[in-house]
Amino acid sequence: EADIYQTPRYLVIGTGKKITLECSQTMGHDKMYWYQQDPGMELHLIHYSYGVNSTEKGDLSSESTVSRIRTEHFPLTLESARPSHTSQYLCASSEREHNEQFFGPGTRLTVL
Amino acid sequence: GQNIDQPTEMTATEGAIVQINCTYQTSGFNGLFWYQQHAGEAPTFLSYNVLDGLEEKGRFSSFLSRSKGYSYLLLKELQMKDSASYLCAVMDSNYQLIWGAGTKLIIKP
Repeated sequence: EADIYQTPRYLVIGTGKKITLECSQTMGHDKMYWYQQDPGMELHLIHYSYGVNSTEKGDLSSESTVSRIRTEHFPLTLESARPSHTSQYLCASSEREHNEQFFGPGTRLTVL
Repeated sequence: GQNIDQPTEMTATEGAIVQINCTYQTSGFNGLFWYQQHAGEAPTFLSYNVLDGLEEKGRFSSFLSRSKGYSYLLLKELQMKDSASYLCAVMDSNYQLIWGAGTKLIIKP
């Protein structure tokens, strides 16, 4: 079954730690996205990718980096986590730019 | 700047009809999306409008007026499971989605 996965689902870490949030999709989609969403607030685009070896910054890059070495895999790394990074992180993919985006279940991150 | 406006919260009764409005100001327009998001879950796609008019899909319909920068989502025969946030998102000239903060819909028996 085609789907999009995120791990971990929940993470509590201390300030200054380096973390990687994983995202994988089995739909063969070229476009992938990372969003940050606080409760009751809009989604903010952090990074996106048009395909393998393509990465672009969104309007909220938040001291994070991404890589796209394989079509199905789009991990997000925070080099040094801060309490301001506490949020929900959503990964999404789409077949083409104007198609609907399919979302993973999200990672809820708490930085102490 | 780019802006999406939708009501913060609405309340409706089970079995009734509710209309959720969305107004937008964006740099360019390549379509408008509606998503449903249950509390603590990821958004799921409901509808896409790129031309003016009404698109009907079962109990849900979505309307677009590009000249007015306006859309609405119409939910008929409301069920308790329709309690969720409804997100309006506009695709701008760079094919990036600009998201509204969502409308929390509360359904009462």
